[in-house]
Amino acid sequence: AQSVTQLGSHVSVSEGALVLLRCNYSSSVPPYLFWYVQYPNQGLQLLLKYTSAATLVKGINGFEAEFKKSETSFHLTKPSAHMSDAAEYFCAVFNAGGTSYGKLTFGQGTILTVHP
Amino acid sequence: SAVISQKPSRDICQRGTSLTIQCQVDSQVTMMFWYRQQPGQSLTLIATANQGSEATYESGFVIDKFPISRPNLTFSTLTVSNMSPEDSSIYLCSVAYSALNTIYFGEGSWLTVV
Repeated sequence: AQSVTQLGSHVSVSEGALVLLRCNYSSSVPPYLFWYVQYPNQGLQLLLKYTSAATLVKGINGFEAEFKKSETSFHLTKPSAHMSDAAEYFCAVFNAGGTSYGKLTFGQGTILTVHP
Repeated sequence: SAVISQKPSRDICQRGTSLTIQCQVDSQVTMMFWYRQQPGQSLTLIATANQGSEATYESGFVIDKFPISRPNLTFSTLTVSNMSPEDSSIYLCSVAYSALNTIYFGEGSWLTVV
């Protein structure tokens, strides 16, 4: 079985500060991992994904994430927060095998607030 | 990326009625899924929409409550039957591209039951 834990349901940063959103996973097979963003009153947008290639993954809007197998982590970072980054962020593990292919298991989400 | 259209985008429904949500994709996809996001919660998988056969439901979801159709490789519907206020949620369609190992989501259908 696969699972995802996002540490911190709310994260607040100042504009221009580092953004760090934490995600830890549990998987019995090498995982594929995703980060999605949900802006208020909108659907989910794919930020980036890890699918067993480079461990440092760059996504849209200046976000990146590093896969660390030893720590079972896939934390999302951005060097400098912008007001437009305020949203809810979801980490998810992707089932890439067998009859469950394509299913996503989501973390509980982290709401990012950016202060001026 | 895929263009996934959902209809309706929002609706307010009376208790006891049913609503059908449509999901249209701009290209053929192998896998289509339906998720529910209850207020303030994360996403939970309802079922896998199988083309030409019955949908595969996750634990806690049943066909009588959430009948799903998938007549072809670009279209699926989810019906929320005999609605109660507890069904007030966002319902999201997603598609998987196996060659890309990527999942995309529609904009969601925001359902309020009164």
